[in-house]
Amino acid sequence: QQPVQSPQAVILREGEDAVINCSSSKALYSVHWYRQKHGEAPVFLMILLKGGEQKGHDKISASFNEKKQQSSLYLTASQLSYSGTYFCGTESGNTDKLIFGTGTRLQVFP
Amino acid sequence: DAGVTQSPTHLIKTRGQQVTLRCSPKSGHDTVSWYQQALGQGPQFIFQYYEEEERQRGNFPDRFSGHQFPNYSSELNVNALLLGDSALYLCASSLVQVWGETQYFGPGTRLLVL
Repeated sequence: QQPVQSPQAVILREGEDAVINCSSSKALYSVHWYRQKHGEAPVFLMILLKGGEQKGHDKISASFNEKKQQSSLYLTASQLSYSGTYFCGTESGNTDKLIFGTGTRLQVFP
Repeated sequence: DAGVTQSPTHLIKTRGQQVTLRCSPKSGHDTVSWYQQALGQGPQFIFQYYEEEERQRGNFPDRFSGHQFPNYSSELNVNALLLGDSALYLCASSLVQVWGETQYFGPGTRLLVL
Protein backbone atom coordinates (compact mmCIF):
# COMPACT_ATOMS: atom_id res chain seq x y z
CA GLN A 1 0.00 0.00 0.00
CA GLN A 2 1.42 3.34 -1.10
CA PRO A 3 1.99 5.93 1.66
CA VAL A 4 -0.31 8.95 1.41
CA GLN A 5 1.17 12.42 1.48
CA SER A 6 -0.58 15.65 2.35
CA PRO A 7 -1.04 18.26 1.16
CA GLN A 8 -0.84 17.41 -2.54
CA ALA A 9 0.49 20.87 -3.35
CA VAL A 10 1.81 23.91 -1.48
CA ILE A 11 2.51 27.45 -2.65
CA LEU A 12 4.79 29.60 -0.51
CA ARG A 13 6.48 32.98 -0.52
CA GLU A 14 10.19 32.99 0.24
CA GLY A 15 10.75 32.86 3.99
CA GLU A 16 7.49 31.08 4.80
CA ASP A 17 7.26 27.69 6.49
CA ALA A 18 5.62 24.47 5.35
CA VAL A 19 4.87 21.02 6.72
CA ILE A 20 4.52 17.93 4.54
CA ASN A 21 2.99 14.78 6.00
CA CYS A 22 3.43 11.12 5.09
CA SER A 23 1.12 8.43 6.43
CA SER A 24 1.40 4.67 6.01
CA SER A 25 -0.98 1.81 6.71
CA LYS A 26 1.96 -0.45 7.59
CA ALA A 27 4.37 -0.53 10.52
CA LEU A 28 7.49 1.35 9.48
CA TYR A 29 11.17 0.70 10.06
CA SER A 30 12.26 3.96 8.48
CA VAL A 31 11.10 6.96 6.47
CA HIS A 32 13.25 8.51 3.74
CA TRP A 33 12.58 11.98 2.33
CA TYR A 34 13.57 13.05 -1.18
CA ARG A 35 13.11 16.19 -3.27
CA GLN A 36 12.78 15.93 -7.02
CA LYS A 37 12.96 18.84 -9.41
CA HIS A 38 11.29 18.61 -12.80
CA GLY A 39 13.21 16.32 -15.15
CA GLU A 40 15.81 15.41 -12.53
CA ALA A 41 16.48 12.48 -10.20
CA PRO A 42 15.24 12.46 -6.61
CA VAL A 43 17.78 13.98 -4.21
CA PHE A 44 18.16 12.51 -0.74
CA LEU A 45 17.18 14.82 2.13
CA MET A 46 17.04 12.70 5.25
CA ILE A 47 16.25 9.37 6.87
CA LEU A 48 14.37 8.83 10.08
CA LEU A 49 14.92 5.44 11.64
CA LYS A 50 12.85 3.37 13.99
CA GLY A 51 14.24 4.10 17.43
CA GLY A 52 14.83 7.80 16.83
CA GLU A 53 18.03 8.12 14.84
CA GLN A 54 18.09 10.69 12.04
CA LYS A 55 20.53 11.17 9.18
CA GLY A 56 20.61 13.97 6.65
CA HIS A 57 20.03 17.61 5.85
CA ASP A 58 21.05 20.29 8.34
CA LYS A 59 18.46 22.90 7.27
CA ILE A 60 15.43 20.65 7.04
CA SER A 61 13.94 18.81 9.97
CA ALA A 62 11.48 15.97 10.26
CA SER A 63 9.66 13.85 12.78
CA PHE A 64 8.70 10.18 12.82
CA ASN A 65 5.84 8.85 14.92
CA GLU A 66 6.34 5.09 14.85
CA LYS A 67 3.09 4.32 16.66
CA LYS A 68 1.01 6.36 14.23
CA GLN A 69 3.09 5.24 11.22
CA GLN A 70 3.47 8.87 10.22
CA SER A 71 6.27 11.27 9.37
CA SER A 72 6.31 15.01 8.84
CA LEU A 73 8.89 17.12 7.00
CA TYR A 74 9.34 20.69 8.24
CA LEU A 75 10.60 23.33 5.82
CA THR A 76 11.39 26.59 7.61
CA ALA A 77 12.30 29.94 6.09
CA SER A 78 11.78 28.47 2.62
CA GLN A 79 14.10 29.41 -0.23
CA LEU A 80 13.46 29.44 -3.97
CA SER A 81 15.64 26.34 -4.24
CA TYR A 82 13.16 24.39 -2.09
CA SER A 83 10.72 24.22 -5.03
CA GLY A 84 10.11 20.73 -6.32
CA THR A 85 8.14 17.59 -5.56
CA TYR A 86 8.76 15.97 -2.20
CA PHE A 87 8.43 12.23 -1.78
CA CYS A 88 8.55 10.11 1.31
CA GLY A 89 9.85 6.58 0.90
CA THR A 90 9.03 4.00 3.55
CA GLU A 91 10.60 0.74 4.58
CA SER A 92 8.32 -1.84 6.18
CA GLY A 93 9.49 -5.13 7.51
CA ASN A 94 12.88 -6.72 7.28
CA THR A 95 13.82 -5.25 3.93
CA ASP A 96 15.32 -2.11 2.42
CA LYS A 97 12.82 -1.85 -0.43
CA LEU A 98 11.50 1.71 -0.60
CA ILE A 99 7.81 2.33 -1.23
CA PHE A 100 7.32 5.93 -2.30
CA GLY A 101 4.40 8.14 -1.36
CA THR A 102 2.01 10.06 -3.56
CA GLY A 103 4.19 13.19 -3.61
CA THR A 104 3.74 16.83 -2.57
CA ARG A 105 4.46 19.58 -5.06
CA LEU A 106 6.00 22.66 -3.44
CA GLN A 107 6.42 26.00 -5.20
CA VAL A 108 8.26 28.91 -3.62
CA PHE A 109 7.87 32.37 -5.14
CA PRO A 110 9.94 35.52 -4.47
CA ASP B 1 33.65 10.90 -5.98
CA ALA B 2 31.48 9.83 -8.92
CA GLY B 3 27.81 9.52 -8.16
CA VAL B 4 25.37 7.10 -9.74
CA THR B 5 25.48 7.18 -13.52
CA GLN B 6 22.98 5.83 -16.02
CA SER B 7 22.94 5.37 -19.77
CA PRO B 8 21.46 6.22 -22.13
CA THR B 9 19.73 9.42 -21.00
CA HIS B 10 16.90 9.09 -23.50
CA LEU B 11 15.59 6.25 -25.62
CA ILE B 12 12.78 5.83 -28.13
CA LYS B 13 11.52 2.34 -28.96
CA THR B 14 8.46 0.84 -30.64
CA ARG B 15 6.02 -1.65 -29.18
CA GLY B 16 7.33 -5.21 -29.05
CA GLN B 17 10.98 -4.22 -29.03
CA GLN B 18 13.45 -4.95 -26.28
CA VAL B 19 15.56 -2.41 -24.34
CA THR B 20 18.59 -2.53 -22.06
CA LEU B 21 19.35 0.24 -19.58
CA ARG B 22 22.62 0.54 -17.68
CA CYS B 23 23.64 1.79 -14.25
CA SER B 24 26.94 2.30 -12.46
CA PRO B 25 26.61 2.67 -8.70
CA LYS B 26 28.21 5.29 -6.51
CA SER B 27 31.77 4.41 -5.54
CA GLY B 28 31.81 2.02 -2.60
CA HIS B 29 28.21 0.87 -3.02
CA ASP B 30 27.37 -2.77 -3.66
CA THR B 31 23.58 -2.77 -4.05
CA VAL B 32 21.56 -1.49 -6.98
CA SER B 33 17.80 -0.92 -7.03
CA TRP B 34 15.72 -0.08 -10.09
CA TYR B 35 12.59 2.06 -10.08
CA GLN B 36 10.04 3.06 -12.71
CA GLN B 37 8.57 6.54 -12.48
CA ALA B 38 5.58 7.42 -14.64
CA LEU B 39 4.82 11.07 -15.29
CA GLY B 40 3.41 12.74 -12.18
CA GLN B 41 3.87 9.65 -10.00
CA GLY B 42 6.35 8.54 -7.39
CA PRO B 43 9.03 5.96 -8.22
CA GLN B 44 7.81 2.33 -8.20
CA PHE B 45 10.24 -0.36 -7.04
CA ILE B 46 11.10 -2.90 -9.75
CA PHE B 47 13.85 -5.02 -8.18
CA GLN B 48 17.13 -4.92 -6.30
CA TYR B 49 20.46 -6.63 -6.98
CA TYR B 50 23.19 -7.59 -4.55
CA GLU B 51 26.11 -9.98 -5.12
CA GLU B 52 24.90 -10.51 -8.70
CA GLU B 53 21.58 -11.93 -7.48
CA GLU B 54 18.07 -10.48 -7.53
CA ARG B 55 17.45 -9.86 -3.84
CA GLN B 56 13.89 -8.57 -3.92
CA ARG B 57 11.28 -7.75 -6.51
CA GLY B 58 8.27 -5.45 -6.81
CA ASN B 59 5.04 -6.08 -8.69
CA PHE B 60 6.45 -6.10 -12.18
CA PRO B 61 6.00 -8.83 -14.82
CA ASP B 62 8.76 -11.18 -15.94
CA ARG B 63 9.28 -8.99 -19.00
CA PHE B 64 11.40 -6.92 -16.62
CA SER B 65 14.68 -8.62 -15.84
CA GLY B 66 18.07 -7.52 -14.67
CA HIS B 67 21.65 -8.38 -14.08
CA GLN B 68 24.45 -7.25 -11.80
CA PHE B 69 28.09 -7.58 -12.77
CA PRO B 70 31.10 -8.30 -10.51
CA ASN B 71 31.97 -4.57 -10.52
CA TYR B 72 28.45 -3.90 -9.06
CA SER B 73 27.15 -2.19 -12.20
CA SER B 74 23.73 -3.31 -13.33
CA GLU B 75 21.45 -3.64 -16.34
CA LEU B 76 17.69 -3.51 -16.60
CA ASN B 77 16.14 -5.36 -19.55
CA VAL B 78 12.57 -4.97 -20.69
CA ASN B 79 11.20 -7.33 -23.35
CA ALA B 80 8.09 -7.01 -25.52
CA LEU B 81 7.73 -3.30 -24.78
CA LEU B 82 4.25 -1.87 -24.22
CA LEU B 83 3.12 1.73 -24.53
CA GLY B 84 2.65 1.73 -20.75
CA ASP B 85 6.35 1.08 -20.23
CA SER B 86 7.05 4.69 -21.19
CA ALA B 87 8.54 6.24 -18.06
CA LEU B 88 11.65 7.51 -16.35
CA TYR B 89 13.74 4.56 -15.16
CA LEU B 90 15.81 5.34 -12.11
CA CYS B 91 18.68 3.42 -10.65
CA ALA B 92 19.62 3.86 -7.00
CA SER B 93 22.69 2.52 -5.23
CA SER B 94 23.37 1.82 -1.59
CA LEU B 95 25.35 -0.35 0.78
CA VAL B 96 23.58 -3.58 1.60
CA GLN B 97 21.60 -3.35 4.80
CA VAL B 98 18.51 -4.93 6.20
CA TRP B 99 16.98 -1.46 6.34
CA GLY B 100 17.78 2.19 6.98
CA GLU B 101 20.53 2.77 4.42
CA THR B 102 20.52 5.82 2.16
CA GLN B 103 19.77 5.18 -1.49
CA TYR B 104 21.32 7.60 -3.99
CA PHE B 105 19.61 8.01 -7.34
CA GLY B 106 21.10 8.40 -10.77
CA PRO B 107 19.79 10.91 -13.35
CA GLY B 108 17.54 8.31 -14.96
CA THR B 109 16.82 7.05 -18.45
CA ARG B 110 13.70 8.43 -20.09
CA LEU B 111 12.10 5.72 -22.22
CA LEU B 112 9.41 6.50 -24.77
CA VAL B 113 7.57 3.59 -26.38
CA LEU B 114 5.69 4.42 -29.59
